[in-house]
Amino acid sequence: SAVISQKPSRDICQRGTSLTIQCQVDSQVTMMFWYRQQPGQSLTLIATANQGSEATYESGFVIDKFPISRPNLTFSTLTVSNMSPEDSSIYLCSAGTVNSPLHFGNGTRLTVT
Amino acid sequence: QQQVKQSPQSLIVQKGGIPIINCAYENTAFDYFPWYQQFPGKGPALLIAIRPDVSEKKEGRFTISFNKSAKQFSLHIMDSQPGDSATYFCAASNTGKLIFGQGTTLQVKP
Repeated sequence: SAVISQKPSRDICQRGTSLTIQCQVDSQVTMMFWYRQQPGQSLTLIATANQGSEATYESGFVIDKFPISRPNLTFSTLTVSNMSPEDSSIYLCSAGTVNSPLHFGNGTRLTVT
Repeated sequence: QQQVKQSPQSLIVQKGGIPIINCAYENTAFDYFPWYQQFPGKGPALLIAIRPDVSEKKEGRFTISFNKSAKQFSLHIMDSQPGDSATYFCAASNTGKLIFGQGTTLQVKP
């Protein structure tokens, strides 16, 4: 199964700044997704990271706030832009192939002050 | 129609008991139903998954029961242990992206 590494594992950021989260997979995968998990809550899909093209965003999430890159089959980044305290959450990268289950990284714990 | 409803929200059982967590879905296009286990500070880890062409799947102490006509599926944990104390999420998919249930926090008392 794919091993997924996220950086940073946690950060404390000031309101109005931006943070870029990196997701590295140890093998080539066809699918990569970004999720948000607020404390004590379930996982909400932010977007599908498409290799070589613009990400596909779920309802309630927009590219200006959460720009995503995926330059190749093993790497993706999620930026949380112009942060506010409401953005404090855990951001999770997941990856897999068509014939294998999705695996998750350990997440990035973001606190916005 | 994209929702997956999970119950109960929390569950406490004694060691050796059989906790059961239930999920229901609406979208009949879903064709993949995994269960994830999450410990504090960690990402969700895949436990077991099922496709709608079978009604039951067992892996070790974990069993999924699937009822296609009722659009429901459940997780049973046999001989539960304190180390099983975690949050469990059901999910559903038909395009690769997962839609998660609300989660169940399980506590197994020694």
